[in-house]
Amino acid sequence: RKEVEQDPGPFNVPEGATVAFNCTYSNSASQSFFWYRQDCRKEPKLLMSVYSSGNEDGRFTAQLNRASQYISLLIRDSKLSDSATYLCVVNRVNNAGNMLTFGGGTRLMVKP
Amino acid sequence: GAVVSQHPSWVICKSGTSVKIECRSLDFQATTMFWYRQFPKQSLMLMATSNEGSKATYEQGVEKDKFLINHASLTLSTLTVTSAHPEDSSFYICSAKQGRLNEKLFFGSGTQLSVL
Repeated sequence: RKEVEQDPGPFNVPEGATVAFNCTYSNSASQSFFWYRQDCRKEPKLLMSVYSSGNEDGRFTAQLNRASQYISLLIRDSKLSDSATYLCVVNRVNNAGNMLTFGGGTRLMVKP
Repeated sequence: GAVVSQHPSWVICKSGTSVKIECRSLDFQATTMFWYRQFPKQSLMLMATSNEGSKATYEQGVEKDKFLINHASLTLSTLTVTSAHPEDSSFYICSAKQGRLNEKLFFGSGTQLSVL
């Protein structure tokens, strides 16, 4: 089983739709969580951190469920420019420092 | 925000040649740099972790003699793909962070390697 799992998609949604992605992680020692966005052949860019209390940034809402070991990302009022791959990233600390593990990514395609 | 510069952006080479990719942190000292490889429609796969002044730690299945990593200074790490073959064609990305416990990663813009 992969340490961080995501549905690869693609999720094809019309403009204005609400779409949600989930990500599950297997290591209960994971301490912090992030969503990154990656456009084709570009570097990943941090979209938002995910906090236990849930957090919102404009049209984006991230939530963490430690008991079930999953995090989610909700995008409201989808824009064409939201089309990208969304990477779930999980961090835990070991003797070597931070250990960041990337999920396989979920591809979103927003259509007019 | 912090900037990581990666060069070249793309490279085409003949099979059997070696290719060097540079990753520089421009405005901070990167105690740790990471090298990833990404095949089409797949996620980033960590290849190795390099700490300044010490040998890189390679992930399982990554050949250290083929992918040479040098992190000679706090602002520069290089990845050399030796005797490249077509199956090494991929998107290579570096990232850097300040401090051992710092979570935030700063990514280079990636290098698309095509081996003919």
